[in-house]
Amino acid sequence: QVQLVQSGAEVKKPGASVKVSCKASGYTFTGHYIHWVRQAPGQGLEWMGRINPNSGGINFAQRFQGRVTMTRDTSISTAYMELSGLRSDDTAVYYCARDRGSYNWNYLDAFDIWGQGTMVTVSS
Amino acid sequence: DIQMTQSPSTLSASVGDRVTITCRASQSVSSWLAWYQQKPGKAPKLLMYQASSLESGVPSRFSGSGSGTEFTLTISSLQPDDFATYYCQQYNSYWTFGQGTKVEIK
Repeated sequence: QVQLVQSGAEVKKPGASVKVSCKASGYTFTGHYIHWVRQAPGQGLEWMGRINPNSGGINFAQRFQGRVTMTRDTSISTAYMELSGLRSDDTAVYYCARDRGSYNWNYLDAFDIWGQGTMVTVSS
Repeated sequence: DIQMTQSPSTLSASVGDRVTITCRASQSVSSWLAWYQQKPGKAPKLLMYQASSLESGVPSRFSGSGSGTEFTLTISSLQPDDFATYYCQQYNSYWTFGQGTKVEIK
């Protein structure tokens, strides 16, 4: 079945970096954007950015510019999100999600498949 | 950035009730609006896209309407599995979510 499986929970100290993986299966990995969304404890959803697995092209939310890196390895159908300069307010569940549009690189769409989430805790 | 505002923040209802959640955009998003359901400890689930299109596998008691800046999600007859938090999301200009509406048992 179509699914995204993320890496496990992480505990990091302030100032460190974290890298979360998102492995796709059941569909053509290079046919859909992968988005990253985070959710702080008890809070709402926040879009961070997206990667085009076909070209590697990236778009970020302005507030994460300079701190977030998104990459992919097409040989293993896996996307990665690395966040640097961690602060306590980066403590959140980080989700990857698939864009509904297939090979729809010029249009925006909703997110139809989500990973299970990765809890990242930033604490000294 | 486009801001999305949902109302109410919390809604108390009983099984069988008709429930309506409203989402307003700070500027027009045309029909580029989605609705998600999220249960505690789980990832969001896509319910509706393009304002009124039902995602495959989602029960027909869910419906969506609206365009421009005002949208609604309606559950025609609330079922026990529907108690959850609901989020709207615009995708006219990047992506922005509403703050969520928690549907709780009355």
